[in-house]
Amino acid sequence: NAGVMQNPRHLVRRRGQEARLRCSPMKGHSHVYWYRQLPEEGLKFMVYLQKENIIDESGMPKERFSAEFPKEGPSILRIQQVVRGDSAAYFCASSIQETQYFGPGTRLLVL
Amino acid sequence: GIQVEQSPPDLILQEGANSTLRCNFSDSVNNLQWFHQNPWGQLINLFYIPSGTKQNGRLSATTVATERYSLLYISSSQTTDSGVYFCAVASNFGNEKLTFGTGTRLTIIP
Repeated sequence: NAGVMQNPRHLVRRRGQEARLRCSPMKGHSHVYWYRQLPEEGLKFMVYLQKENIIDESGMPKERFSAEFPKEGPSILRIQQVVRGDSAAYFCASSIQETQYFGPGTRLLVL
Repeated sequence: GIQVEQSPPDLILQEGANSTLRCNFSDSVNNLQWFHQNPWGQLINLFYIPSGTKQNGRLSATTVATERYSLLYISSSQTTDSGVYFCAVASNFGNEKLTFGTGTRLTIIP
């Protein structure tokens, strides 16, 4: 039973480019959460999605960030016009009930 | 929102020693999880423990929900236990978004 998969594991972008991060939840899990971890800090909640619905996006920056979890395919976190401050590790977690299982993360570096 | 504090922030121990990590939270919770972030950055589930006591090998955890704290015990530490330990809580049924503490960085010296 494969765990949560994220790709790419590492992503380098120049300022102004777009970053697309993908998350495939564990089989049978319909809840996806995205978290961001800045260097030397804890994880911060960004967005909670169920299939085709955004349930809570209270942690998402108001501009440039968007997320989706389509009926088919992985969840996508999209960052437009990246800036250096977006450099961080982005983790996805999935759950079916209370326990959240985390993927390996995508490390985004903005040059 | 709910506040989560972990102590100590850093802990350096000799291999074989025991340790206790603490997590205090500011409101009632319906979800509490302990994670180990290893030196490669991976987050590993240790316990789902909103209340009560659980044990898994050399690790055990206790949450006293009425007093709003949880403890993680590590016995007979090994170098592979090094990393950052996070406590994370959720306080809303139906929305399990986790609020993380700032972590305890554990270093085990051979």
